Amino acid sequence: DAGVIQSPRHEVTEMGQEVTLRCKPISGHNSLFWYRQTMMRGLELLIYFNNNVPIDDSGMPEDRFSAKMPNASFSTLKIQPSEPRDSAVYFCASSYENEQFFGPGTRLTVL
Amino acid sequence: DQQVKQNSPSLSVQEGRISILNCDYTNSMFDYFLWYKKYPAEGPTFLISISSIKDKNEDGRFTVFLNKSAKHLSLHIVPSQPGDSAVYFCAATNCGGAGSYQLTFGKGTKLSVIP
Repeated sequence: DAGVIQSPRHEVTEMGQEVTLRCKPISGHNSLFWYRQTMMRGLELLIYFNNNVPIDDSGMPEDRFSAKMPNASFSTLKIQPSEPRDSAVYFCASSYENEQFFGPGTRLTVL
Repeated sequence: DQQVKQNSPSLSVQEGRISILNCDYTNSMFDYFLWYKKYPAEGPTFLISISSIKDKNEDGRFTVFLNKSAKHLSLHIVPSQPGDSAVYFCAATNCGGAGSYQLTFGKGTKLSVIP
């Protein structure tokens, strides 16, 4: 298996633009997680899905953030409009039980 | 309020010596604990885990110890190797509770193994 796939690996955009991050989980995993990593706050859980259904989105910082999982093999995290304080590394992870497997992350820079 | 705390942001150890990384937690409902290792520009990778029914789990050079009464766990790496230099995250979860499989992470400890 190729592992969790994220795209793009790097994204540089200007404030106010829409940003869409993509994730393909490991086949057969039934849970998918979106995290944000910053120096100040470490690794924060934004939202997670179980069997394609959002279970807990309490970590989503604002209404500017939204996530979807239309099927078992694809998820998106969208930020609209983006702001400089959204600059961070965003990780997607998938799991079947307790052990989560992480993708390589998307480094987002909002100018 | 941080439920999982790694109070040492960094640690330097000589090659061949033991590395001890510490983690404290506050939520008594946590019953499963994991350590992840992260290299720069990569995602965290699972290293080792322990259930609350045990107090020790060993896998090669890596051993995790759990002290439930103190709500403390530690990761021992012996002997340490330069390739172990990475950021180590402690994580915890409550198996079977609401939010099953949702991990709570510490902020990480950066380990540097000096040749």
